[in-house]
Amino acid sequence: DTEVTQTPKHLVMGMTNKKSLKCEQHMGHRAMYWYKQKAKKPPELMFVYSYEKLSINESVPSRFSPECPNSSLLNLHLHALQPEDSALYLCASSQILVNTEAFFGQGTRLTVV
Amino acid sequence: EDQVTQSPEALRLQEGESSSLNCSYTVSGLRGLFWYRQDPGKGPEFLFTLYSAGEEKEKERLKATLTKKESFLHITAPKPEDSATYLCAVPRGSDKLIFGTGTRLQVFP
Repeated sequence: DTEVTQTPKHLVMGMTNKKSLKCEQHMGHRAMYWYKQKAKKPPELMFVYSYEKLSINESVPSRFSPECPNSSLLNLHLHALQPEDSALYLCASSQILVNTEAFFGQGTRLTVV
Repeated sequence: EDQVTQSPEALRLQEGESSSLNCSYTVSGLRGLFWYRQDPGKGPEFLFTLYSAGEEKEKERLKATLTKKESFLHITAPKPEDSATYLCAVPRGSDKLIFGTGTRLQVFP
C-alpha cells in the first residue's frame, strides 16, 4: 500500500476563516512533507517533518502552521489566508528523507475568497 | 546552483508515435533521480527511481534511463491515457526535492 490520504479534497475559505488540512499515511514512513502547487508549475516545498520534528520551513508565512501529532499524521493549519494562497496543497511521505522515493496524496484544492 | 531542466515544455503525439522526454540536471553528487506522472488536479504519481548512470527502469510503455548529466523518459507507442504532465526531481541535501518544470504530454487518437 503506497497511499497517502488527504482531506478535504476541496476547500473554499474566506480570508478571516481558520481551517485545517489533514494528511495520513500508514506506510511507516518517517518523513512527511507539505508542498504548494500553482497551475502549470512544479510543486514547491513548504515544510518537512522528520521523525515528527520540523526539519525545514521554507520561509513560509506564519498564516500557515504545520503540525505533526504522530508518525502517521500531518496537519496544516490555515488562518487569515490571502487569495494568492489559492493552490493545490500536496502532502507527501518517504521512508526516510529524500534519498528514497516520496509518495504524494491527491491534494487539497484550496480556494481563498 | 543545483538545477533541473525538462524539455520539451509540451509535446503532442499521435497515438503510437514514440518519443522521449528529457530531464537534465546540475547537482553535485547525484543521490537519485525520480520520475513522476501528474494528472490535472491530482497529486504526482511515483513512476521510477534511478540511482546510477547506465541504469534503466521500465513500466508498461515507459522506460527511464540515466546518464551522468541527464535522464530520458522514453514512451513507446503511447496511448491517449498516457496524456499527463511528467515531472522529474532530484534530492538536494538530505531533505529537499528539486522538481523540474515538467513536460505536458498530449497523445491524440
